[in-house]
Amino acid sequence: DAGVIQSPRHEVTEMGQEVTLRCKPISGHNSLFWYRQTMMRGLELLIYFNNNVPIDDSGMPEDRFSAKMPNASFSTLKIQPSEPRDSAVYFCAGSSAGAEAFFGQGTRLTVV
Amino acid sequence: AQSVTQLGSHVSVSEGALVLLRCNYSSSVPPYLFWYVQYPNQGLQLLLKYTSAATLVKGINGFEAEFKKSETSFHLTKPSAHMSDAAEYFCAVSDGSGGSYIPTFGRGTSLIVHP
Repeated sequence: DAGVIQSPRHEVTEMGQEVTLRCKPISGHNSLFWYRQTMMRGLELLIYFNNNVPIDDSGMPEDRFSAKMPNASFSTLKIQPSEPRDSAVYFCAGSSAGAEAFFGQGTRLTVV
Repeated sequence: AQSVTQLGSHVSVSEGALVLLRCNYSSSVPPYLFWYVQYPNQGLQLLLKYTSAATLVKGINGFEAEFKKSETSFHLTKPSAHMSDAAEYFCAVSDGSGGSYIPTFGRGTSLIVHP
């Protein structure tokens, strides 16, 4: 298995534009997490899916953020419209219940 | 609610010296505990995990951690630091409360190794 695959690795966009981050988890992992990492706040959980269903989205900062998991092998995190304060590294991670989380390489988002 | 506190945002050691990174957790039920390492521009990689078996857990790259319930601690150690150990280290807790195993991470400790 190639591990958790995230795309793009880097994204630079202008304020107000829509941004879509993509994640392909490891096959068989029924839990999927989106985290955001910044110097100021560390690693923050944005949303958690179990068996493709969003279970906890209390970490999603605003309605500008949305996430979907249409099937077990794909998830997206969308920001619309983007703002400079959204600049961060966004990680996707997956796990089987109770086991460790496997992280992707992350997407470094810069909103100018 | 589960939480993790990592004491010290930066730890500096000499090459060959003992590494000690501190982690204390809070959990309402027996937790799973993890240490991850993050190298620049990369994702987090698992170093080791505690899942209610042996309290002394050995991981990759010579690291180990000891679960101490009485102290609610899970400190990470390595007898002899190597230059390649310089990275960010994260402690995480996952206790399954509410029926979901969601890892909560500490703020991280940056390990600096100097010659």
